[in-house]
Amino acid sequence: GAGVSQTPSNKVTEKGKYVELRCDPISGHTALYWYRQSLGQGPEFLIYFQGTGAADDSGLPNDRFFAVRPEGSVSTLKIQRTERGDSAVYLCASSAGGTQYFGPGTRLTVL
Amino acid sequence: KNEVEQSPQNLTAQEGEFITINCSYSVGISALHWLQQHPGGGIVSLFMLSSGKKKHGRLIATINIQEKHSSLHITASHPRDSAVYICAVGGRDDKIIFGKGTRLHILP
Repeated sequence: GAGVSQTPSNKVTEKGKYVELRCDPISGHTALYWYRQSLGQGPEFLIYFQGTGAADDSGLPNDRFFAVRPEGSVSTLKIQRTERGDSAVYLCASSAGGTQYFGPGTRLTVL
Repeated sequence: KNEVEQSPQNLTAQEGEFITINCSYSVGISALHWLQQHPGGGIVSLFMLSSGKKKHGRLIATINIQEKHSSLHITASHPRDSAVYICAVGGRDDKIIFGKGTRLHILP
């Protein structure tokens, strides 16, 4: 594909529900990053994958958040028991080392 | 104190004006990024630099490693330049720390 894609572009859910956000990185990029951007803030790091493994998950806010990348390509960010404070734009980026290329983001709204 | 500070937070200017956005950081970095974010959240990488100066069209980015400071300049600004411009720094692990962004509005 031409760039990083993320689905869905928008997700509205109710408090307490489970959501999955998907990221398709640029083909061949071994590094994949998830960021979260709350209203009025710059994006904040959540987790970084190198290949299939999470090299750094120090940014995940709590154990309701989990991410996987089972085949070293597509990644899914999973949020359990969503809370209103989880509402944000979730950004994914991929890299071959150096420049990170960002996806368009998924806007999550928890009602 | 934020590790990446940008100024100004908001900037409104007339079409044609020369624009400068500043970024200061307090951590050791491997590279500094300037990003452009349009309404809806999508981010485009404008520059990645670790020293000196880069130019792309009407955009110029400079960095002073000793002073831990970078500037993004836009010459002959145009309404289509209206966006949020984000400064971000990458550490040795490539984990990026973002500034809060500068919201630029260019009036026709």
